[in-house]
Amino acid sequence: GAVVSQHPSWVICKSGTSVKIECRSLDFQATTMFWYRQFPKQSLMLMATSNEGSKATYEQGVEKDKFLINHASLTLSTLTVTSAHPEDSSFYICSATGAGNTEAFFGQGTRLTVV
Amino acid sequence: AQTVTQSQPEMSVQEAETVTLSCTYDTSESDYYLFWYKQPPSRQMILVIRQEAYKQQNATENRFSVNFQKAAKSFSLKISDSQLGDAAMYFCAYRSEGSNYKLTFGKGTLLTVNP
Repeated sequence: GAVVSQHPSWVICKSGTSVKIECRSLDFQATTMFWYRQFPKQSLMLMATSNEGSKATYEQGVEKDKFLINHASLTLSTLTVTSAHPEDSSFYICSATGAGNTEAFFGQGTRLTVV
Repeated sequence: AQTVTQSQPEMSVQEAETVTLSCTYDTSESDYYLFWYKQPPSRQMILVIRQEAYKQQNATENRFSVNFQKAAKSFSLKISDSQLGDAAMYFCAYRSEGSNYKLTFGKGTLLTVNP
């Protein structure tokens, strides 16, 4: 299957700062990328869908000003958690797909801890 | 909106035995895809098996097979000859035919494999 790389794998940041998470498709052009949040022992919750060159579509209840998503190229999408607070601590996962794919491929996830 | 229900929060199986994980879904669509994903402790999402709704034949992948009952909206996963490495959280997921690969996940089933 295709490879999606997410970076960093884990990050600790101070409350009030911003942190950026990258999601890259290494061997295919990702026309669509998805960002999920997962709390411990829970399922994946879709936060937003991003199409290359377009504004992201956020799910209901997700603050777009807090979780900035950029999908400026066919291989890279970024999620920036702005003014992070401890309640933003979670596991964030991206997935990507493109033309010709029948499925979406997942990154390794990023564990964010806000202290 | 589509919903996916996994009624078994936890399951356990003896090594080399067979276990079946349940999944039901609700949709008014006729064309869609169903997936089973595995999430081991590393938290990397791994696609286990995929079923296209228009196919009557149940999908199989080595020791993994599904029982797809379209009329009953049921999509169970059977794991044969269970191995210790099968221990993980398993998520059932639904995707509409034209949904841009947006997945709806169930809450997951935690599978324990006993030696």
